[in-house]
Order: sequence, then C-alpha cells, then structure tokens
Amino acid sequence: GAVVSQHPSWVICKSGTSVKIECRSLDFQATTMFWYRQFPKQSLMLMATSNEGSKATYEQGVEKDKFLINHASLTLSTLTVTSAHPEDSSFYICSATFLDTIYFGEGSWLTVV
Amino acid sequence: GENVEQHPSTLSVQEGDSAVIKCTYSDSASNYFPWYKQELGKRPQLIIDIRSNVGEKKDQRIAVTLNKTAKHFSLHITETQPEDSAVYFCAASNIGNEKLTFGTGTRLTIIP
Repeated sequence: GAVVSQHPSWVICKSGTSVKIECRSLDFQATTMFWYRQFPKQSLMLMATSNEGSKATYEQGVEKDKFLINHASLTLSTLTVTSAHPEDSSFYICSATFLDTIYFGEGSWLTVV
Repeated sequence: GENVEQHPSTLSVQEGDSAVIKCTYSDSASNYFPWYKQELGKRPQLIIDIRSNVGEKKDQRIAVTLNKTAKHFSLHITETQPEDSAVYFCAASNIGNEKLTFGTGTRLTIIP
C-alpha cells in the first residue's frame, strides 16, 4: 500500500536554532501534503497545507515565517521550524492522500532545549 | 471552518463490555468521517471510516454510525479487549480538500 515516510523520528535542538523535518510519499505523487502538530495529551491540529510548486496555506494562528514549508517536488515536503523555542516542542506529523485514503507519516518528535 | 467535538474525554469499561464514543461536527460540507486509534508517540491508525452516503458501517467488533441531519457520528466497539486500550480520535473532512479536523480525543481504558 501507499507509504508516507517522515524523517527524523525525533530531534533535539537548542533554542534559537532551526530544524528541518521531511515528509516523503514513497510510492505515489502528492501535489498536496498536510502538516499537523500534536502537543502532549492533546489532539492533532492542522498547521498548514503544503502545495507542490506554490506557497503553503497556513491555518489561522500559525506563523508562516516561523514554520517554513517547502514542497519542491511531487514526493517531498519539508517543514522547517525556525528560531525554535521550548514551546515549539511537539509531535509533528504529515499526511498525504492517495486514492481517497489519507496516509500519515510516522511523526517527528521535536524537543527544544 | 469545521469544528469537531468529541465525548467523553475518558472512558473505562470492563473487558467484554461495549464502548461508545460520540462526535459532532459543524460543517455540513464534511463528507468523510474517519476514526483513529493512536498509541503514544505513534501515527494515528485508521480503524474505520464512513462517508456521508451511508449511515452505518461495521468491521468485526467495530462499527460507526452517522447521522447527517444531526451532524453526529459515533464509534461502537463491542466485546472490548485489553488491547483496545488507547486514545481514539474522530475526524471530519471534505474528501475533496483532504485536510482533517480532529476531535479532542478519548482515552479508552479496558479493565481486565
């Protein structure tokens, strides 16, 4: 079946640095991917829609200059958390749809120290 | 935008009994309603879904019902087992735009 892969699975970074998370569709092309964030013991919240070849669409309250999204190819979207702070520590997860089925990446745990 | 409410937030049932989790949604354009089971630190796992053209769907011990008029849908798990213990999320989407709005989650605990 279709697979969405995310990397890294977990990352620790220092405050003020940037970290990049990759989301790949391994066996299908995805013109659209979605990025969600999940704080501990909370639900998944959509951050943005990643559009291949054009700008991402951000949900209300999500800072586009802080969470940079690039979707340069049909199989890869990247989320860069810039100038990370401890409050950005969270579980980030992407999704893509293939044949009307939504597939999630494995998720990436980000800890900012 | 879409708003999905989920109840209860926690649920404990005796092994072998049934568990029911309920969700309501606000956007009448939503037409796809999946239910996910999530283990700590892992991706959500789709356990069942329903589209707006049907009112009920069943897969072994799991069933989902949808009432479009009332804008609510429910997850039913029968003959619960300890391995059913997890956090469950409902979600709603317009399959045309693919993005999901999740409920707040229910922590289900099966008591042996």
